Amino acid sequence: DAGVIQSPRHEVTEMGQEVTLRCKPISGHDYLFWYRQTMMRGLELLIYFNNNVPIDDSGMPEDRFSAKMPNASFSTLKIQPSEPRDSAVYFCASHSSGGADTQYFGPGTRLTVL
Amino acid sequence: GEDVEQSLFLSVREGDSSVINCTYTDSSSTYLYWYKQEPGAGLQLLTYIFSNMDMKQDQRLTVLLNKKDKHLSLRIADTQTGDSAIYFCAVGSGDKLIFGTGTRLQVFP
Repeated sequence: DAGVIQSPRHEVTEMGQEVTLRCKPISGHDYLFWYRQTMMRGLELLIYFNNNVPIDDSGMPEDRFSAKMPNASFSTLKIQPSEPRDSAVYFCASHSSGGADTQYFGPGTRLTVL
Repeated sequence: GEDVEQSLFLSVREGDSSVINCTYTDSSSTYLYWYKQEPGAGLQLLTYIFSNMDMKQDQRLTVLLNKKDKHLSLRIADTQTGDSAIYFCAVGSGDKLIFGTGTRLQVFP
């Protein structure tokens, strides 16, 4: 299995631009999580999906952030418009229900907003 | 809500044992986890322990769980420079995992 796949690995953009981060979970996993990691705030859960349905988006910072999961193999996290304080590493993780709730993380997308 | 706490830094000499500690507030977690994050990488599952266990050993790793004190620890025997990383404790909370702040382990020769 290829594991959780994220793209792009690095993104540099200017303030005000739209940013779209992509994630492909492990095949067969029914949960997908988006996290943000910064030095100041550590690892924060932004939103998670179960069977493509958003379950808890209370961690999404503000309306500039949105996430979708149109099918079981693809999810996007969009920031529009982006701001310098959005600079962070964004991780996607997935897990399969019915066993240990072990989450498998992707390599992350390092976002820099200038 | 659930709170998971860890010390931020640990520095050990190569060949010594490392002990990373974690305390949590929610006692209903079925599984408790240790993840490792190397520079520039995602979190990698190291090991986990079922809540009805006190100890789990996996090669150089030993996990101890004290449910009464809500304390979880990770011991790394014969610590190597390749063990230098950030170690996260995580506890289950419903569908989610609640992660600690991470402990940065530095191994010096």
